[in-house]
Amino acid sequence: QQQVKQSPQSLIVQKGGISIINCAYENTAFDYFPWYQQFPGKGPALLIAIRPDVSEKKEGRFTISFNKSAKQFSLHIMDSQPGDSATYFCALGGSTLGRLYFGRGTQLTVWP
Amino acid sequence: EAGVAQSPRYKIIEKRQSVAFWCNPISGHATLYWYQQILGQGPKLLIQFQNNGVVDDSQLPKDRFSAERLKGVDSTLKIQPAKLEDSAVYLCASSLGRERAFFGQGTRLTVV
Repeated sequence: QQQVKQSPQSLIVQKGGISIINCAYENTAFDYFPWYQQFPGKGPALLIAIRPDVSEKKEGRFTISFNKSAKQFSLHIMDSQPGDSATYFCALGGSTLGRLYFGRGTQLTVWP
Repeated sequence: EAGVAQSPRYKIIEKRQSVAFWCNPISGHATLYWYQQILGQGPKLLIQFQNNGVVDDSQLPKDRFSAERLKGVDSTLKIQPAKLEDSAVYLCASSLGRERAFFGQGTRLTVV
């Protein structure tokens, strides 16, 4: 059973544009919402993460928006660059065990 | 800081053969995870260790998969016998606590 639903599956954005990826979940027991970035042939790397006590977190060009009542969170990439072309995964975490439940991923392509 | 080391990077085996993957986590990380990432999907947890004890192996197909973590450091994941559907990237990750998992580059397994 997929704990988190991620969309879109793929995204094509022009250089300088805004990339937006969305995730939705049902189980309110999670309290840690990270985004991972994965390049071909590499393992996922943590990009940015948020806790449900804040509605937004920004790190450089990357912003997470979190809507607790709607049980949704999204990743915004401002001024998208070709180097941002990668697969992005949202995840749910925060159980006492620490395991993560990943979305199916979004393949982002930024055209120069 | 050295990252999570995995070997081999690639492995091709015939179905019904056995295979083993090795992982060396980041020094000092008590928690170690093995994830399976099937092409086009997000990583899925197979097993989680805390030091050398198993804390979650609910998604591990125990009839064919086994894993151990000796002395709470290195870990090996074994598949015996392999099936075609085991073709995937096997990712090892480690963390200090229950957040911020660091992933290795993975082992790409192809079962033919």
